[in-house]
Amino acid sequence: KQEVTQIPAALSVPEGENLVLNCSFTDSAIYNLQWFRQDPGKGLTSLLLIQSSQREQTSGRLNASLDKSSGRSTLYIAASQPGDSATYLCAVKDGGFKTIFGAGTRLFVKA
Amino acid sequence: EAQVTQNPRYLITVTGKKLTVTCSQNMNHEYMSWYRQDPGLGLRQIYYSMNVEVTDKGDVPEGYKVSRKEKRNFPLILESPSPNQTSLYFCASSLRGELYGYTFGSGTRLTVV
Repeated sequence: KQEVTQIPAALSVPEGENLVLNCSFTDSAIYNLQWFRQDPGKGLTSLLLIQSSQREQTSGRLNASLDKSSGRSTLYIAASQPGDSATYLCAVKDGGFKTIFGAGTRLFVKA
Repeated sequence: EAQVTQNPRYLITVTGKKLTVTCSQNMNHEYMSWYRQDPGLGLRQIYYSMNVEVTDKGDVPEGYKVSRKEKRNFPLILESPSPNQTSLYFCASSLRGELYGYTFGSGTRLTVV
């Protein structure tokens, strides 16, 4: 059974710092991996989608990488800003078309 | 605008009173799914649908029903709500296939007293 783990559970950094969020999964037979952002009490906003055949995707200050063989993905945020404060979730779509979510990393960027 | 629309956004109800949370998408997506989100437990899948008239249980289906009579709509029905169904609910949709990711609705915060 696929399990998705995100480390750390919470992170506090000063504004301007570059940071890395980690996501690991137990079964490498995935179709894709998606990173989301969630603001408190709000819905999920898709940030990046990486196909199983891809190694990375970039959008602005965000870069997500995928290493299927080791069951890992990282989300790199460059030059963090207070507006980046949110919970970041990763989700893997597996061969059964189920999508399994990690518990998320709560990020706080201090001004 | 391409979106998933859930209604209502907030709902307070009493134990045992049947309710329906609606979900509609305008992107012609085949795949739709319901999740609940609880503190410390993350997002857990309740039911999903691969297409019209095709639905299946997720990880926590007990106490819920769904139907998929039209491609765009996927309502979540609580026949007899209980306090342990107090949660934040999300509907999501996707094109079928491995290339596509999810689009989420804004959520429905349900409180059962």
